[in-house]
Amino acid sequence: GQSLEQPSEVTAVEGAIVQINCTYQTSGFYGLSWYQQHDGGAPTFLSYNALDGLEETGRFSSFLSRSDSYGYLLLQELQMKDSASYFCAVSANTDKLIFGTGTRLQVFP
Amino acid sequence: DTAVSQTPKYLVTQMGNDKSIKCEQNLGHDTMYWYKQDSKKFLKIMFSYNNKELIINETVPNRFSPKSPDKAHLNLHINSLELGDSAVYFCAIKDGGETQYFGPGTRLLVL
Repeated sequence: GQSLEQPSEVTAVEGAIVQINCTYQTSGFYGLSWYQQHDGGAPTFLSYNALDGLEETGRFSSFLSRSDSYGYLLLQELQMKDSASYFCAVSANTDKLIFGTGTRLQVFP
Repeated sequence: DTAVSQTPKYLVTQMGNDKSIKCEQNLGHDTMYWYKQDSKKFLKIMFSYNNKELIINETVPNRFSPKSPDKAHLNLHINSLELGDSAVYFCAIKDGGETQYFGPGTRLLVL
């Protein structure tokens, strides 16, 4: 089968750093993406890793280890507006994304 | 301008009815999708179209029929609606790379 596992919920305070992990087991793998979704909103793209290592985009960074079938999203200098659900997603082929179960991040003042 | 638009935003209907959701994109990308997000926020691909051709059909009941009249549109028609069809349906497009852009979603409630 195909599965992507994430923690269901993470809490943190403003200004803190939080890491959201994702482990995957899929029949195909091209890369790992991260999407953010606010309540009532649509998923929006954050990052994509095709190769092992860390990709940094502002306050957000994403890491991939293909040998471990593992990745994480690192959010630094947390702000209240970062409260949302975060999904990892595997590109199983060039056209298909398989989404993880989602992690709800709550940021407290 | 919104890259991906969907209509309607909300849809409340009775079991057994037939309904359609429309999706339009203005970015000129070839690949379009329909996703279903259930009450537990699990997001699952339903269909993928590339340049008006069906590429992916994820064992969706045949009550669901996507139609792509042209590259800018991918509509979803649902026959004989069931309670379990209640969900948020997202249309999405894929750029030439790995980014997918999602529409605002259609919240379907079947009573």
